[in-house]
Amino acid sequence: DTGVSQDPRHKITKRGQNVTFRCDPISEHNRLYWYRQTLGQGPEFLTYFQNEAQLEKSRLLSDRFSAERPKGSFSTLEIQRTEQGDSAMYLCASSFSTDGTEAFFGQGTRLTVV
Amino acid sequence: QQPVQSPQAVILREGEDAVINCSSSKALYSVHWYRQKHGEAPVFLMILLKGGEQKGHEKISASFNEKKQQSSLYLTASQLSYSGTYFCGTEISNDYKLSFGAGTTVTVRA
Repeated sequence: DTGVSQDPRHKITKRGQNVTFRCDPISEHNRLYWYRQTLGQGPEFLTYFQNEAQLEKSRLLSDRFSAERPKGSFSTLEIQRTEQGDSAMYLCASSFSTDGTEAFFGQGTRLTVV
Repeated sequence: QQPVQSPQAVILREGEDAVINCSSSKALYSVHWYRQKHGEAPVFLMILLKGGEQKGHEKISASFNEKKQQSSLYLTASQLSYSGTYFCGTEISNDYKLSFGAGTTVTVRA
């Protein structure tokens, strides 16, 4: 296993369009997280899953955002009716669900809304 | 809820030492340190757990003052490869959800 992979790496979309990102976590990891990072800032938590269950969503996540993790494997993050403020790097991370375990991040998907 | 990191930036020559601080207004369960190079994913460096357990990078050390809700990352005998932005991520309860600081940019020059 080569780590957390995300697809696509870059996405340019017109305002108002829908976009979907995919994350493939490390295969043994049962926790999966989505974060958003803007220039000069640290990652901001969006949501996380334990297996297929979405356990928490940040208040940052508007109704235009939805995430799924069918069968507890890969996850998708969809943004509907994109706005310019959605432009950011979307990072996925995965981990075991045990104490003192580190999360491994993917390379991210950079979204630009024009 | 976002932790505060200091300094915002530091410039070092190879072989010099530096300390990066992270403080929170909330009682912390753990502190996680990551380094991110431009255009790359954050890379895990260290976890410090409430109670003193540590796990992480062999050449980078850190401390966690539970009473003050502060953590410090020590870069010793810095190498060019240490350049990047360092983020602390804090966990308030045992739910693995991290709040990250704004980062400290470290530049190591030859």
